[in-house]
Amino acid sequence: GNSVTQMEGPVTLSEEAFLTINCTYTATGYPSLFWYVQYPGEGLQLLLKATKADDKGSNKGFEATYRKETTSFHLEKGSVQVSDSAVYFCALSDEDAGNMLTFGGGTRLMVKP
Amino acid sequence: DVKVTQSSRYLVKRTGEKVFLECVQDMDHENMFWYRQDPGLGLRLIYFSYDVKMKEKGDIPEGYSVSREKKERFSLILESASTNQTSMYLCASTPGRLATEAFFGQGTRLTVV
Repeated sequence: GNSVTQMEGPVTLSEEAFLTINCTYTATGYPSLFWYVQYPGEGLQLLLKATKADDKGSNKGFEATYRKETTSFHLEKGSVQVSDSAVYFCALSDEDAGNMLTFGGGTRLMVKP
Repeated sequence: DVKVTQSSRYLVKRTGEKVFLECVQDMDHENMFWYRQDPGLGLRLIYFSYDVKMKEKGDIPEGYSVSREKKERFSLILESASTNQTSMYLCASTPGRLATEAFFGQGTRLTVV
């Protein structure tokens, strides 16, 4: 079956630090990959996505590249802000599995001023 | 603007009560989902529906049922609430069977005492 593994948190950074949150996946088919973000007290919202190998998704200064050879989709941001403090979820959607979303366990990011 | 609305942000119920969690989407989406979110466990799929009056079990359906009488509304039912069902519940929808991006409600934090 499909699975997503992401680094456990919490990740604590100072403002303007570089961020990497690792995500690797296992899928039977050729999945689409996503990063969702959950701000305190809210539901999840899509941050970025990539649908094929070597695609780079980007939004709000965050980036992630679909690496088929390493089955990875690591999230990066060059300079984090306090407002980026949230929980980040890596997810995949696989047509072979009926396009159901499979989520990683989530990584809490805390950015200190 | 895309919107998924859950009827309550916070609920407190007693053990043994029958609990209804309501979710409404205004985007004419075919697919709707119920997840629960617990610390360290990420999001786990309870039930989903691809069409009106249709339902499928997810990964953890025990103790839950669902109802989808209208396309826009998907209800999660706890037949007899127990303390281990204390959790954050998230509703999501997607447009069409092959679509991949999910839109989430703001979540309902349920406490069973």
